[in-house]
Amino acid sequence: AQTVTQSQPEMSVQEAETVTLSCTYDTSESDYYLFWYKQPPSRQMILVIRQEAYKQQNATENRFSVNFQKAAKSFSLKISDSQLGDAAMYFCACTGNQFYFGTGTSLTVIP
Amino acid sequence: DAGVTQSPTHLIKTRGQQVTLRCSPKSGHDTVSWYQQALGQGPQFIFQYYEEEERQRGNFPDRFSGHQFPNYSSELNVNALLLGDSALYLCASSQGTFSNQPQHFGDGTRLSIL
Repeated sequence: AQTVTQSQPEMSVQEAETVTLSCTYDTSESDYYLFWYKQPPSRQMILVIRQEAYKQQNATENRFSVNFQKAAKSFSLKISDSQLGDAAMYFCACTGNQFYFGTGTSLTVIP
Repeated sequence: DAGVTQSPTHLIKTRGQQVTLRCSPKSGHDTVSWYQQALGQGPQFIFQYYEEEERQRGNFPDRFSGHQFPNYSSELNVNALLLGDSALYLCASSQGTFSNQPQHFGDGTRLSIL
């Protein structure tokens, strides 16, 4: 079975600062993908960034980037220049034959 | 371009009743997946429908069943409701069943069991 672990239930960051959210996963699949999703209070899950496991280069999407360490099965999300709109629950997900989500990290952005 | 739409937004039922939730996928998507998200938890995969058939299923009892229609829309049915079925039910759509395809989510249906 695949598992995704987010060890930080809550994080906070000052506006304009940088924050890193942690995620580790366990999978027996050789070909898989990793995702970060954001869920604001409005409830809709929004894709933040995607990483193909076969690619060594870390994915980047504007202010969002990942640190993918395949051997360590680690997939952290870095948010640079944090904005008030970044406040949300962030979920890490790993795919196999289905999507496996972590328990989430609640991010607070302090003005 | 309409995204994933779910109805109803909120539903209140009592134990033992049955419920049907509905989902219309994003335009151009042919695959629908359903998730249960308990309060304070991440989404748990229920099942996935493609070409009107259930393709993958998570660890949920047979009380949870579904259907996909020719227009790709989908229904989630839950029978003999239990208090533990209270949760946010999310529908997600994608193009094909391949695991590299990102899921596009709806706003969810909040189901409360009294």
